Amino acid sequence: DTAVSQTPKYLVTQMGNDKSIKCEQNLGHDTMYWYKQDSKKFLKIMFSYNNKELIINETVPNRFSPKSPDKAHLNLHINSLELGDSAVYFCASSQLSGKLFFGSGTQLSVL
Amino acid sequence: DQQVKQNSPSLSVQEGRISILNCDYTNSMFDYFLWYKKYPAEGPTFLISISSIKDKNEDGRFTVFLNKSAKHLSLHIVPSQPGDSAVYFCAASVKAAGNKLTFGGGTRVLVKP
Repeated sequence: DTAVSQTPKYLVTQMGNDKSIKCEQNLGHDTMYWYKQDSKKFLKIMFSYNNKELIINETVPNRFSPKSPDKAHLNLHINSLELGDSAVYFCASSQLSGKLFFGSGTQLSVL
Repeated sequence: DQQVKQNSPSLSVQEGRISILNCDYTNSMFDYFLWYKKYPAEGPTFLISISSIKDKNEDGRFTVFLNKSAKHLSLHIVPSQPGDSAVYFCAASVKAAGNKLTFGGGTRVLVKP
């Protein structure tokens, strides 16, 4: 059983489109995250939710909107996609102060 | 502004020898440090961590050393195995500020048989 699963694994889309990436964890963790790995391979936090409440919100364009319907799910919706949004997006989960468990990533390519 | 830096983008080592990966940080508030390992097309997986109250933590073949005065940590892998070939990320956090990890840029390790 995959602990943190995210879909889709690959996403190719045109500029201006709206897309969503889904994430689910079956570890019973209270906290979930979205990280972005840019072209220079740095992993940077975007958002963190604890028990469906937003607790970390880095400087991310408001075209990015996380949604947590329950503590096992944290989806990422992106409006009006831009070329610069092309990256690998990783979902992760943890207990509040524990180590992070990552999903396998979603490679987003905006054409 | 990179608060966590891994200055060696790559490292090549012979099987059986020691791999030493280095990481420097600038934020003196960081009090928890971790190493993650990443294979291609997979997410990072936790390897080992160390709290700022310690200067060494060991887990099997992996040892992390922390030098707070130098704001430097290192990961030693002994002996290195071909399956250790991966990208290794150093990460740091301020525990009281939530579990927000700041990552370095990674070091690609190649272990040659």
